[in-house]
Amino acid sequence: QVQLQESGPGLVKPTQTLSLTCTVSGASISGGEYYWAWIRQPAGKGLEWIGRIYASGSKNYNPFLKSRVSMLVDKSKMQFSLTLTSVTAADTAMYYCARAAVSIVRGKITDPFDIWGQGTMVTVTS
Amino acid sequence: QSVLTQPPSASGTPGQRVTVSCSGSSSNIGSNTVNWYQQLPGTAPKLLIYSNDQRPSGVPDRFSGSKSGTSASLAISGLQSEDEADYYCATWDDTLNGHILFGGGTKLTVL
Repeated sequence: QVQLQESGPGLVKPTQTLSLTCTVSGASISGGEYYWAWIRQPAGKGLEWIGRIYASGSKNYNPFLKSRVSMLVDKSKMQFSLTLTSVTAADTAMYYCARAAVSIVRGKITDPFDIWGQGTMVTVTS
Repeated sequence: QSVLTQPPSASGTPGQRVTVSCSGSSSNIGSNTVNWYQQLPGTAPKLLIYSNDQRPSGVPDRFSGSKSGTSASLAISGLQSEDEADYYCATWDDTLNGHILFGGGTKLTVL
């Protein structure tokens, strides 16, 4: 079955750059009916969408994080990545990667996150 | 404070029917489909309802979703102890070049 696995440093210093990778297994990363996303969740708080990227490289970011976020996809490695610059304590969170399945239901585009990684905790601390 | 408003908590006894609301605006729920996610303690979220009222394969029919205007609802009938979890609504918002919003989440307690 399709699985996503996040990887990256668990600790990042303030002002530095957070870099995470998500490895996709059990399915192609190149399918046009899917895109790939990052979502985070501070401890005890709700979910926040960070952004999405298609295998083609087309991407959209959360407008409130846009100046600090970058995403890339490496189809040969079946991976996509997240880079978040100038981190602060407010960026401390569980970071999830997820797959969105794009389809049309009753004439409307729908793109739910149908597969999630287990998450990786990132703490910003000096 | 999230743009999509959910009650922070809800509760019910086993067998009861519980609903969780998600209130938005014309630029998000009013224009786009709503998805619902269930997050059990210590785990990643799981897709529960997509496109307002569609259940993915494997989700019991005790879970149902609906949408009217700028609000959406998740209903859980025949409440079970294993339904105790956090529930999140999500949809696109058409402002600022488009982005996905999550509701603040509702913690469901089975009494």
